[in-house]
Amino acid sequence: DIQMTQSPSSVSASVGDRVTITCRASQDISNWLAWYQQKPGKAPKLLIYAASSLQTGVPSRFSGSGSGTDFTLTISSLQPADFASYYCQQANSFPYTFGQGTKLEIK
Amino acid sequence: EVQLVQSGEEVKKPGESLRISCKASGYTFTSYWISWVRQMPGKGLEWMGRIDPGDSYTNYNPSFQGHVTISADKSISTAYLQWSSLRASDTTIYYCARGRSSGNFYGMDVWGQGTTVTVSS
Repeated sequence: DIQMTQSPSSVSASVGDRVTITCRASQDISNWLAWYQQKPGKAPKLLIYAASSLQTGVPSRFSGSGSGTDFTLTISSLQPADFASYYCQQANSFPYTFGQGTKLEIK
Repeated sequence: EVQLVQSGEEVKKPGESLRISCKASGYTFTSYWISWVRQMPGKGLEWMGRIDPGDSYTNYNPSFQGHVTISADKSISTAYLQWSSLRASDTTIYYCARGRSSGNFYGMDVWGQGTTVTVSS
């Protein structure tokens, strides 16, 4: 299985801050990566697909980059609605796997 | 409106069977695969497997294979996740999600609301 390792596991930040979350794959996954946001008690929401493509309706302060084994999700200016958990997912090979998650908390 | 609507909360006893459902609407059911995702309390997301409703071809996570069965009925645009013998450790919430990966991975863009399963004697 491809292991997806996210860092950090948690981060505290303030409204207006720039935040970057990284995701490392245990082998080359090209750009077969997605990022999701999940709020407590809710289903995950797709933010980024194909590593860097912004899902329709997602604010432009979210961006993704990377290819191969190293990927990043960046939130350019944190808004109150952005405090949530974030997950990366690879779909290059079965079984699809998620990172362990990053919890973004208010400082 | 494109949506996936999952069946309601279930309370079962160990050893019982169960099938939960995920009904799609607002799009062509056979144009997207459906995945099932488990989330244990306070934990992360785990991909269980997926089905292509067009031909019912399935891929399973080995961690779940043999314990669950994923199926679909394209005549009613519904996917299923079923257990023949539930365990207490199956107690958690399960999500269905649609996805597409023709030439690239477009992510899982529509999710059901989740079905909570409780297994207790």
